[in-house]
Amino acid sequence: QKEVEQNSGPLSVPEGAIASLNCTYSDRVSQSFFWYRQYSGKSPELIMSIYSNGDKEDGRFTAQLNKASQYVSLLIRDSQPSDSATYLCAVTGSNFGNEKLTFGTGTRLTIIP
Amino acid sequence: DVKVTQSSRYLVKRTGEKVFLECVQDMDHENMFWYRQDPGLGLRLIYFSYDVKMKEKGDIPEGYSVSREKKERFSLILESASTNQTSMYLCASAGGRQVSLGEQYFGPGTRLTVT
Repeated sequence: QKEVEQNSGPLSVPEGAIASLNCTYSDRVSQSFFWYRQYSGKSPELIMSIYSNGDKEDGRFTAQLNKASQYVSLLIRDSQPSDSATYLCAVTGSNFGNEKLTFGTGTRLTIIP
Repeated sequence: DVKVTQSSRYLVKRTGEKVFLECVQDMDHENMFWYRQDPGLGLRLIYFSYDVKMKEKGDIPEGYSVSREKKERFSLILESASTNQTSMYLCASAGGRQVSLGEQYFGPGTRLTVT
């Protein structure tokens, strides 16, 4: 069983619409959750982190965490062509400061102008 | 800004060669990581280090070793390169004991081809 699961896509969204990316994880004791963006041919970059249940907003991005359902999502409002990338969900276990990051395989997002 | 650099963007080596991949970070981070990224398999952790001269195995350490003699530098060594080690290798660093190790900064990657 994969530890972090994402729909591989591709997910196509019209420009200006909301893109919704989903991720589930198997380890119930997971503590910290991250979204990384990876443009084609580039390395991943951190765009959002979330540590407690609920929503966290940063500009056009909102991360949502539901630990009871073991589910984390990323919403991108007013999608732009520059948002076209692969989005990686990542999760760490317990013991803050001594944890390993486990990545999902990523969802490829395409914003259609 | 955090800067993580890797010694080569592209590398071609022959089977059986010893290969060194170097990574340097300039933000005084304690923690450094080596991953490989393959289509359909995602990012997989090879080795990581929490401090100078410390190393911990990740999920796929077989066929690899690491060295961390200085805080800013973390080297990945392929003792005897094989074709199944053809991959994109990514180095990352993360800082401080007050910051989650999930907040990682990646280098540009080294695409290694073993023929």
